Amino acid sequence: EAGVAQSPRYKIIEKRQSVAFWCNPISGHATLYWYQQILGQGPKLLIQFQNNGVVDDSQLPKDRFSAERLKGVDSTLKIQPAKLEDSAVYLCASSWIPGTDSPETQYFGPGTRLLVL
Amino acid sequence: SQQGEEDPQALSIQEGENATMNCSYKTSINNLQWYRQNSGRGLVHLILIRSNEREKHSGRLRVTLDTSKKSSSLLITASRAADTASYFCATDNNQGGKLIFGQGTELSVKP
Repeated sequence: EAGVAQSPRYKIIEKRQSVAFWCNPISGHATLYWYQQILGQGPKLLIQFQNNGVVDDSQLPKDRFSAERLKGVDSTLKIQPAKLEDSAVYLCASSWIPGTDSPETQYFGPGTRLLVL
Repeated sequence: SQQGEEDPQALSIQEGENATMNCSYKTSINNLQWYRQNSGRGLVHLILIRSNEREKHSGRLRVTLDTSKKSSSLLITASRAADTASYFCATDNNQGGKLIFGQGTELSVKP
C-alpha cells in the first residue's frame, strides 16, 4: 500500500513570497490533515478535511494560509505571503476508510521542510 | 495550544536498557496514541490505547494509561540503536479524529 505522498520535500523562499505544498493521501482515506511542526515542538493541526469539506480550521492563520481538497483526494496548502515564523515542517496525514477499524490512526507523509529567509 | 506534556524532554541510554517516557494531558480523552519520528521524517503510529484500557503491549512496547491522573507512559524494553528518534504522545478528545500532540521526548540509544 502506497503511503502519503508530499511534495516538494524542501523549499527555501524569501519572506513575503508565496509557496504551495501538495499532498496525496493514502487511497480511500476520507480524512486529510495538515500540520505545522516547528523545530523542537510537536505537530500542530492547521486544518482537517473530511472528503472535500473542512472539519476544523480553527488554528489556520486565514489571513495568509489557505488549503483546499477540491475532489476529496489530494490537497494543496498555500502560504501567501510567507513570514519568517512560518519556517517549519509541514506534515500531511490521512486516516479512515469508512467501515474499517481504527479510524483514529493517522498516517503521515514525510513532510515539506520550509525555510523562510 | 498543546494538550500533552512529555517528560523527559531528552533521554540518553545504552543499547539493551529500557526507556520510559511519560505524557500528561489536561482534558478528558477518547484515546491516547504514541508516535515515533525519525530525524527528517514523518511520524509513524506506534500504539493506541483507549480511555477504558489501562495497559497495552505491542512487541517491545508497553503503554499504560491512568485517566485519574491524566497520564500515560511508554516503555521500550531492550532498546536498540534503531530506536533513536523523537516520541510523541497525542490525545484524541473525540473531536472528529483531531489529535493534539505533546512536545515530544528525544530518545538517543547508544550502541
